[in-house]
Amino acid sequence: DIQMTQSPSSLSASVGDRVTITCRASQPIGTYLNWYQQRPGKAPKLLISVASNLYSGVPPRFSGSGSGTDFTLTISSLQPEDFATYYCQQSYAILPWTFGQGTKVEIK
Amino acid sequence: QVQLQESGPGLVKPSETLSLTCTVSGGSISSYYWSWIRQSPGKGLEWIGYVLDTGTTNYNPSVTGRVTISVDTSKNQFSLRLSSVTAADTAVYFCVRSRWLQPLDSWGQGTLVTVSS
Repeated sequence: DIQMTQSPSSLSASVGDRVTITCRASQPIGTYLNWYQQRPGKAPKLLISVASNLYSGVPPRFSGSGSGTDFTLTISSLQPEDFATYYCQQSYAILPWTFGQGTKVEIK
Repeated sequence: QVQLQESGPGLVKPSETLSLTCTVSGGSISSYYWSWIRQSPGKGLEWIGYVLDTGTTNYNPSVTGRVTISVDTSKNQFSLRLSSVTAADTAVYFCVRSRWLQPLDSWGQGTLVTVSS
């Protein structure tokens, strides 16, 4: 299996802060990396596909970058509705598809 | 816009079989990969497997031997059966849509299944 490792596991930040979350794959996956946001009691929602493509309807304060094994999700100016847990997921041609363990973004 | 809705028992006894159905509305079940993903309480996300409209399947080795995912194109539904369940199978189960090499772009709301006697 391709292991996905996110860091940090949690972080505290204030409204307006710039936040960066990293995701590392255990082997190269090109740009087959996606980011999701999950609020408590809800299903995950797609934010970013293929490393850097902003999904329809997602605010432009979210951005993604990276290729190979190292990827980042950046929120340029944290908003109250962004406090949630974020997951990376590889959709490479090697199954099983796997997720990072999640990064919980909390209010400072 | 496509919508997915899980249905099935919320409580299953240990050693029995967990059965869930996902109903797809607002779009065709053709040309997509239909997956089941679960999330154990307080834990992360685990892909269980997928089915295509042709009936082709692929499963996570962590559940191979216990899992069957099937599709009923006439009803726009696909289903999950997980046998010999234990408490470790207690989780919220999501049905999800994607294409090959593409992200999981549409999710059901999820349904909690508890394994307990």
